Amino acid sequence: GESVGLHLPTLSVQEGDNSIINCAYSNSASDYFIWYKQESGKGPQFIIDIRSNMDKRQGQRVTVLLNKTVKHLSLQIAATQPGDSAVYFCAENTGANSKLTFGKGITLSVRP
Amino acid sequence: GAGVSQSPRYKVAKRGQDVALRCDPISGHVSLFWYQQALGQGPEFLTYFQNEAQLDKSGLPSDRFFAERPEGSVSTLKIQRTQQEDSAVYLCASSPLAGGVETQYFGPGTRLLVL
Repeated sequence: GESVGLHLPTLSVQEGDNSIINCAYSNSASDYFIWYKQESGKGPQFIIDIRSNMDKRQGQRVTVLLNKTVKHLSLQIAATQPGDSAVYFCAENTGANSKLTFGKGITLSVRP
Repeated sequence: GAGVSQSPRYKVAKRGQDVALRCDPISGHVSLFWYQQALGQGPEFLTYFQNEAQLDKSGLPSDRFFAERPEGSVSTLKIQRTQQEDSAVYLCASSPLAGGVETQYFGPGTRLLVL
């Protein structure tokens, strides 16, 4: 089927290496951020979130870093696996409503 | 357990036709969201329901788009007089929480192609 990642920037990493996916968010009023993973033909899947009162949060094999000064969010994936190949989106919310605003997305391609 | 389901998965419509897209949220989920995802783009918010009440429809692109959730469970997104620019994947998400920003579970989407 069609690729979700068509026309998106691509990050290519070797299996077993660490991956870093970056996102610049737009709204300085945003106080909640989520990283989603989307595989072809599927809906976005929650990976990890972080609130603006934190600058780092760790999950299983994933870490999210938030730099509010420069409005930058990053997702680090340790020991990247072929199953991590997908499109990754950051999303932000201001807390004023229930809207999530998604970024443009990055395709992660894992080389065996 | 069962996740969010959407039907049909694929829909081809001729320009000018009306279409109806269905979303079955996870049972008991209070919040329901619709998003539009153009090819190669991130999802864009369309509308939000809390139970049967449509609390935010600010993302609907025109008055040709209409969504309902009459009994607070299943939702339908209707697009009247479809145009080629309506071609996209339409995603539904549900959450057990009112507001539900933190815990949205997405369905697989309906891919709409308008010819």
